[in-house]
This record gives sequence, structure tokens and C-alpha cells, in this order.
Amino acid sequence: GAVVSQHPSWVICKSGTSVKIECRSLDFQATTMFWYRQFPKQSLMLMATSNEGSKATYEQGVEKDKFLINHASLTLSTLTVTSAHPEDSSFYICSAEPDFGGYNEQFFGPGTRLTVL
Amino acid sequence: GQQLNQSPQSMFIQEGEDVSMNCTSSSIFNTWLWYKQDPGEGPVLLIALYKAGELTSNGRLTAQFGITRKDSFLNISASIPSDVGIYFCAGGETSGSRLTFGEGTQLTVNP
Repeated sequence: GAVVSQHPSWVICKSGTSVKIECRSLDFQATTMFWYRQFPKQSLMLMATSNEGSKATYEQGVEKDKFLINHASLTLSTLTVTSAHPEDSSFYICSAEPDFGGYNEQFFGPGTRLTVL
Repeated sequence: GQQLNQSPQSMFIQEGEDVSMNCTSSSIFNTWLWYKQDPGEGPVLLIALYKAGELTSNGRLTAQFGITRKDSFLNISASIPSDVGIYFCAGGETSGSRLTFGEGTQLTVNP
């Protein structure tokens, strides 16, 4: 149980295009999902907290107009990188906190490797 | 903001040895979590701790929630090659809130 999927697992795009990444909780509902960014050999950096049916809360320094987050259902959150540039290339990981069970447990997706040319 | 100090940063051990890593914080947490991340993958939850003093095992892994609520350790006994990866600690405050992550411990196990 507690499986989270991400799609796509990797994407290569041209500078200026937009890319959408989907995060799904497959066997549980999640009112709260999180989006992280990770650079090589570094820890996870939280970008935003996504709550179903409401606007996402962005961390300081994260441009909300560039990283659009939509959490339209209890099992799906999407991150859209708008007008992507090479500096947006990174490993993006989502996580979901189940509505049941333990306190603050987050289950992570497998990540999406974004490369912007 | 809150910070977690995780140590050691890296470990190189022989197969069969025991491993210990820990995290300390200047702030109190209500939840301590330990994750393992393989290259190119998302972190996988290993152990979750909810109560000060709690000691929990998951196979060869044992973790403890420090009595002061400001620290936690993870032990791995009789390490095997598939234990290789990066281990992260994370502290949580309330349900639905962000986690604070440590910088990770890179574990290498030599066969």
C-alpha cells in the first residue's frame, strides 16, 4: 500500500516550452501533496505544499507563476513548469500524505527528470 | 528556519558490519522519519516514529525517537550490498505540514 506514481519519469524539452508533471496516489487519498526539487548530491528542497481544492502554498523564492500547481482531486496533483529554461533542469519529486494513518508520513513518487535544452 | 544536522555525511563499510547514523535538531519535532533513496529514484519510507523514546525496528533496521524530541538515530545491522544508498532523516510537526530533511548520509557497502 501507499504507492505514489509520477508521470513522466523523464522529459526533455526545448527552452520556452511548458512541461506538466502528474503525481498520483494509487491506493489512498491525499488531501495534502508536496512538490520537491533535488539537485545532484543534495537533499530535497520543498517547492510547495498542495492542498486539494485550494491554492498551493509556495516556499520562499519559488515563483508561483512559473511553477503552477493544481490539486484537483484527492489522488492527483500536477506541477506545470511554464516557459522552461535550462536552469529549470532538475529532478522533481512529489509526495503525498495519506488521509489515514500516521502523523506526517509522506510517501514519495519515483521522480521526474527534467532536462531543458 | 529549522535545520537538521545529519551525520555522518558518508560511510564506507564492509559487508556484515553494523551502521549507525543520527540526526539532531535545535527544535522539537513530533514525528521522526527515516527514508532511503536509491540513485534516480524517490525516497522510500523505512521507519516512522511518533513518540519520544520510541524504539522501532523494521527487519535489520532500528530507529529511535530521542527522549528530548530533538534527535533520532538509525542503526542497520549486518549490512549487505543492497543497503547502499542515501539515507535521510526528516522531522515533522503536525499532520499536513512540511517535513524538515537532513542533508543525507551516503552509505557504501563493500562486498
